[in-house]
Amino acid sequence: SQQGEEDPQALSIQEGENATMNCSYKTSINNLQWYRQNSGRGLVHLILIRSNEREKHSGRLRVTLDTSKKSSSLLITASRAADTASYFCATGPGTYKYIFGTGTRLKVLA
Amino acid sequence: DTAVSQTPKYLVTQMGNDKSIKCEQNLGHDTMYWYKQDSKKFLKIMFSYNNKELIINETVPNRFSPKSPDKAHLNLHINSLELGDSAVYFCASSQEDRKGPQFFGPGTRLTVL
Repeated sequence: SQQGEEDPQALSIQEGENATMNCSYKTSINNLQWYRQNSGRGLVHLILIRSNEREKHSGRLRVTLDTSKKSSSLLITASRAADTASYFCATGPGTYKYIFGTGTRLKVLA
Repeated sequence: DTAVSQTPKYLVTQMGNDKSIKCEQNLGHDTMYWYKQDSKKFLKIMFSYNNKELIINETVPNRFSPKSPDKAHLNLHINSLELGDSAVYFCASSQEDRKGPQFFGPGTRLTVL
């Protein structure tokens, strides 16, 4: 089974609304990262949160991490049409391997 | 300048052929990766190299052979291509401490007919 699973699989919102997506994982981690993938492009790193951190902000992004529940959430505030993309979480167990989730497809309607 | 580049961007070939995908990074990173993304967007790691040495081989068929001539390059050669190899292949790199962000290339869309 997959290490990271995002929820929901797809999300459609209006421009200006907030978008929240969740990631659950199974094993202990060193850090958790969120990536964005625009259609037909490679993944772009958004934010990294370490296992000893609970919340992190970057611009309109807010990430939380709950290691007791093995889950993380990504909040995008005041969404824009340009935020339309797939969002992936990746968990790093500290080896040369990151395991990616299944992704949340976000569509922001203008 | 492009940080992680891959060539070609598109590759269409017949079953049974052999093909290669090239990857180069100009970030000075020590670790490079190959990922396969299937039609459902699931991204799975295939290989990881650190300082030209193979670190991870994720139960990939031995028809896939990565080669790292130097730290800045990681190529992927695929023998006897099969229909199931059709996917998007991404190269990525990260710093040696491997706990930071990964930088991805634009991907190579491989279609096997």
